[in-house]
Amino acid sequence: GQQVMQIPQYQHVQEGEDFTTYCNSSTTLSNIQWYKQRPGGHPVFLIQLVKSGEVKKQKRLTFQFGEAKKNSSLHITATQTTDVGTYFCAGFTGGGNKLTFGTGTQLKVEL
Amino acid sequence: EPEVTQTPSHQVTQMGQEVILRCVPISNHLYFYWYRQILGQKVEFLVSFYNNEISEKSEIFDDQFSVERPDGSNFTLKIRSTKLEDSAMYFCASKSFRGEAFFGQGTRLTVV
Repeated sequence: GQQVMQIPQYQHVQEGEDFTTYCNSSTTLSNIQWYKQRPGGHPVFLIQLVKSGEVKKQKRLTFQFGEAKKNSSLHITATQTTDVGTYFCAGFTGGGNKLTFGTGTQLKVEL
Repeated sequence: EPEVTQTPSHQVTQMGQEVILRCVPISNHLYFYWYRQILGQKVEFLVSFYNNEISEKSEIFDDQFSVERPDGSNFTLKIRSTKLEDSAMYFCASKSFRGEAFFGQGTRLTVV
């Protein structure tokens, strides 16, 4: 079945440093979504990318969708303590309704 | 802002008992999901539901699990005979026409 892996599994950074998480799918995705889950919370939708090679920005967050639509990345510039949480990519395959989540990257930001 | 509501927030049950987890999806959404997350681990797909029937289910979603939408608003997940390994956080989600999934706050199920 479809597998969606993320690296790294954990990342500790000092506040102000940059952070990147990488997402790789075993199958081609029709689109890729990113979610953030704060400790003790539920996944919250951040963004959706649809087109091959698409890049989107939300303030300090930059999202990319790979040319082959099998990988994606999330980059955070100048992390803040409010960025703490686990970041998940998630993708639909083909015309299916199954949204498969990646393994997640847990980000900790220290002052 | 519309939100997905789940009840109860925490359920403790004895092994072998049946549990029903309840969800009220966002009213104009058409696709509904159940996911589970064992502490600190990945968000695992259980089942998707559309047009009053299951559209996809995972290997986890065996005969012990069932879903239904009994009254057009509530969306329930039933586990017939709970096992210790069913202990997890269960999230309900509904999907907008744009594709983004909105998650409820979750039900923490503890099987003892």
